[in-house]
Amino acid sequence: EAQVTQNPRYLITVTGKKLTVTCSQNMNHEYMSWYRQDPGLGLRQIYYSMNVEVTDKGDVPEGYKVSRKEKRNFPLILESPSPNQTSLYFCASSLGPGQSYEQYFGPGTRLTVT
Amino acid sequence: AQRVTQPEKLLSVFKGAPVELKCNYSYSGSPELFWYVQYSRQRLQLLLRHISRESIKGFTADLNKGETSFHLKKPFAQEEDSAMYYCALNPGTYKYIFGTGTRLKVLA
Repeated sequence: EAQVTQNPRYLITVTGKKLTVTCSQNMNHEYMSWYRQDPGLGLRQIYYSMNVEVTDKGDVPEGYKVSRKEKRNFPLILESPSPNQTSLYFCASSLGPGQSYEQYFGPGTRLTVT
Repeated sequence: AQRVTQPEKLLSVFKGAPVELKCNYSYSGSPELFWYVQYSRQRLQLLLRHISRESIKGFTADLNKGETSFHLKKPFAQEEDSAMYYCALNPGTYKYIFGTGTRLKVLA
């Protein structure tokens, strides 16, 4: 089944403790992206990747890192999480950006930083 | 700055009534616009894209470049249409810009 998976689905952590949220897709998509969803703010793009080893900042990249060593994986790294990073995170992938390609979303990871 | 505006946080309509979810964008070029939907306990999924000029689940959306709008419409709302709807813009780059979303509640 074609899908985007994220792990963990729920995470409660403390300020400053490094964490990684994994994202994997099995559709051989070139483009992958991370979003955060906050009430009243909608979805905001954190980082995106156009292909292996090619990543760039979205609108809200501060406090996050990403890597794209393999085409299928695009982990989101919080080196020193803070409470303002408490949010619902979505990973997405598509054949490419633009050209009206559909983005396929993961199930979401709910992160709470205390 | 490129922006997507969805002015309504919540839209409540009765079953069988027409629905219009508003989306306005700010972008000077030729935009690529999408509507995504998130049903309760489900993933975000594409509803429709302007380039396809398609009708999905009875919904249509027309790009109006003069008014910079891409409103989502359905002539007769169904209870199963209740969901969160997001309008999204790809301004010809690798970025995507989403609106803040509109929650549609269809009342029996």
